[in-house]
Amino acid sequence: AQKITQTQPGMFVQEKEAVTLDCTYDTSDQSYGLFWYKQPSSGEMIFLIYQGSYDEQNATEGRYSLNFQKARKSANLVISASQLGDSAMYFCAQGAGFGNEKLTFGTGTRLTIIP
Amino acid sequence: GAGVSQTPSNKVTEKGKYVELRCDPISGHTALYWYRQSLGQGPEFLIYFQGTGAADDSGLPNDRFFAVRPEGSVSTLKIQRTERGDSAVYLCASSLTGGLAGAGGELFFGEGSRLTVL
Repeated sequence: AQKITQTQPGMFVQEKEAVTLDCTYDTSDQSYGLFWYKQPSSGEMIFLIYQGSYDEQNATEGRYSLNFQKARKSANLVISASQLGDSAMYFCAQGAGFGNEKLTFGTGTRLTIIP
Repeated sequence: GAGVSQTPSNKVTEKGKYVELRCDPISGHTALYWYRQSLGQGPEFLIYFQGTGAADDSGLPNDRFFAVRPEGSVSTLKIQRTERGDSAVYLCASSLTGGLAGAGGELFFGEGSRLTVL
């Protein structure tokens, strides 16, 4: 069974600063994927970034990057140059290997960007 | 619109009643997922459809929960004999092919149906 731990229930960050949201995972799967989603107050989950367990390079998508440390089972999200629109809940999730369509989510981090 | 549509957005019902929640995925998406999000928690997987068939229903909590997708597009989540513990936001997502990642695998979520059982 997978378990995702997000230890920061809330964070406040000054606009334009970088922010790191922590995520650790626990799995016995050899092949898996790690995901980050953003949930604004409207409620829908918005996909941000994906890292495969065999990917050697950290994933990047615009201002988002994933700091993947496989040995430590860590998949932190880094947001550079934060913006007011980044204020939202952020969820880390893990998917198991090929053929498994289930995502296991953490409890989330509420990020608030201060002008 | 072009996104995933869920109705109703809010549903208040009494304990013991029957409830249906509808999900209209993005046109052409073959994969459809239901998740349940309780207050202060991340979403929990309920069921995955590929086309008309439920390929993985391992997340349904008990036999009061059932979901269908008869024509491979719209899906309905059905809850019988509702209990107060069923109160949550029910999220639906779709993707072009399934796979969770890569080309065609990205999930697109709706805004959810908030169910309150009194």
